[in-house]
Amino acid sequence: SYVLTQPPSVSVAPGKTARMTCGGNNIGSKSVHWYQQKPGQAPVLVIYYDSDRPSGIPERFSGSNSGNTATLTISRVEAGDEAAYYCQVWDSNSDHWVFGGGTKLTVL
Amino acid sequence: QVQLVQSGTEVKKPGASVKVSCKASGYTFTSYDINWVRQATGQGLEWMGWMNPDGDNTGYAQKFQGRVTMTRNSSINTAYMELSSLRSEDTAVYFCARSGVGAHYSFDYWGQGTLVTVSS
Repeated sequence: SYVLTQPPSVSVAPGKTARMTCGGNNIGSKSVHWYQQKPGQAPVLVIYYDSDRPSGIPERFSGSNSGNTATLTISRVEAGDEAAYYCQVWDSNSDHWVFGGGTKLTVL
Repeated sequence: QVQLVQSGTEVKKPGASVKVSCKASGYTFTSYDINWVRQATGQGLEWMGWMNPDGDNTGYAQKFQGRVTMTRNSSINTAYMELSSLRSEDTAVYFCARSGVGAHYSFDYWGQGTLVTVSS
């Protein structure tokens, strides 16, 4: 089955840029979605189809996908961005959705 | 506005079944798939399966094949997920989430989650 690998944690100071990766075999050939989840809440879609932002998501959130790595970038990080972030792809070989293990973003 | 409202907390004994509901409002219920995702305490998201708008097609994660059943009642805009032969490892928060019809569409709206505790 297809595996998505995310670093468990990323730390960044307020106002700086956070980059969170999602690794997978030839992930660049797939569409990647990203979700933000704060403690005790349901996930929220922040990026879909690699780099599109839903309405209401700040422009500070952006995404890219190429080769074996997809990346979620948050510019000018704020305290309110502290959360877990999950990447997601559709694995057409198994007809399954797959989530990465999640990255906990800590704002220092 | 789009809302998915799930049923309340459940406490079940090992071997029992649980049925969680997900009531949709604010959109045309029969135009979107419903997915189910669960999350054990302190763990990541785990996809369980999906159901199409008509309720006549489902796809289940291999891990849950034979134990999960997803249904929907379009007359009351409600989807259901039933998990049987519960064990302690099934203790988790269960979420429903909407997606466009077909593969690749993201989960753009989520329910608030339903805590299911399995304990003797």
